[in-house]
Amino acid sequence: IAGITQAPTSQILAAGRRMTLRCTQDMRHNAMYWYRQDLGLGLRLIHYSNTAGTTGKGEVPDGYSVSRANTDDFPLTLASAVPSQTSVYFCASSDSAVSTDTQYFGPGTRLTVL
Amino acid sequence: LAKTTQPISMDSYEGQEVNITCSHNNIATNDYITWYQQFPSQGPRFIIQGYKTKVTNEVASLFIPADRKSSTLSLPRVSLSDTAVYYCLVARTGGFKTIFGAGTRLFVKA
Repeated sequence: IAGITQAPTSQILAAGRRMTLRCTQDMRHNAMYWYRQDLGLGLRLIHYSNTAGTTGKGEVPDGYSVSRANTDDFPLTLASAVPSQTSVYFCASSDSAVSTDTQYFGPGTRLTVL
Repeated sequence: LAKTTQPISMDSYEGQEVNITCSHNNIATNDYITWYQQFPSQGPRFIIQGYKTKVTNEVASLFIPADRKSSTLSLPRVSLSDTAVYYCLVARTGGFKTIFGAGTRLFVKA
């Protein structure tokens, strides 16, 4: 069982370019999340999805968009990347959207925007 | 959701017991305390969750006093491989947003 996979592992991107980070889970979890992790700031929630077809904004949603066309996939898109979006991005999933449910995290994508 | 405060970093030696305390003064009645562990270059992983008194599993123990305004994660006999960042979270029953703070960076020395 793979759990959660993320792609790419790392990426260097020129400012202004469009980028989609991919996330796939095989646990049939209803809820999925995108976090960014910056040094000294812990993890901050960007967007979440309670179930396929629905999405919501987290703590730092500006400059990012998500879609949830099916249960397994939850891509994160940067429409026009800026250097402040340089970060490590983690995708996570949980059985339900209840916050007491355990979240399972992917290995992360390290993104550098120049 | 209640804000959590925990030490930025801690050092320990192999074989020692490590206690990491987290304060959450504004915890609500339907909030649970949850801890995650994150190794370098990996995503966080769930360690333990509790509501009150004491919870123990194969990895750690969680002590929560009666007023629930703080909690202590206890790691028995740490090894070098326990070097990681430990996050204390308050999760609300029925809620769906989880707020991670900056965590406590534990460094275990030989």
